[in-house]
Amino acid sequence: AQSVTQLDSQVPVFEEAPVELRCNYSSSVSVYLFWYVQYPNQGLQLLLKYLSGSTLVKGINGFEAEFNKSQTSFHLRKPSVHISDTAEYFCAAYPNTGNQFYFGTGTSLTVIP
Amino acid sequence: KAGVTQTPRYLIKTRGQQVTLSCSPISGHRSVSWYQQTPGQGLQFLFEYFSETQRNKGNFPGRFSGRQFSNSRSEMNVSTLELGDSALYLCASSLQANTEAFFGQGTRLTVV
Repeated sequence: AQSVTQLDSQVPVFEEAPVELRCNYSSSVSVYLFWYVQYPNQGLQLLLKYLSGSTLVKGINGFEAEFNKSQTSFHLRKPSVHISDTAEYFCAAYPNTGNQFYFGTGTSLTVIP
Repeated sequence: KAGVTQTPRYLIKTRGQQVTLSCSPISGHRSVSWYQQTPGQGLQFLFEYFSETQRNKGNFPGRFSGRQFSNSRSEMNVSTLELGDSALYLCASSLQANTEAFFGQGTRLTVV
């Protein structure tokens, strides 16, 4: 069985401060890992993905994430956040033998001026 | 190139009615998936189509059905609507099932 756990439902952070959004996954098979961002009344936009290779992946808008197989984690980081980063962030796993995404429950990031 | 297009963006329906939602994937993409998003349950997988065949189905009642046409466009139908069906329905398309998925903006369904 597969599951994704986002450890923080809400993360407030001051503008220009660093942020880390935590994600752990559980799977009996290898998975591909993704982070998506959702702005109000919008669909999901891909921030970054890990398919294979280097465990540090860089995405759009200055975000990056590190795949840690031993800890089954895929935490999202940004060194300096902006007001425009305020949104809902979803971690997702896609089993390499499957046909669907397994999403976490989301982390609401609020950037405080 | 054009992104994933979902129509309509908003719908209001009455309990007991049925509804059809449409999704046009990115040109060349053959896999289309549907997800239901609610505040309480988060994002839940409905079904996935590839080349007109349903390959995977989530844990939803039979009132939820879908299909995919030869041009890869997909429709989702919900019959006998219930208040609990109120949600944002998201469609995602990808070249193949296990590659990067691109999501549409969703259809916001409200059942009254």
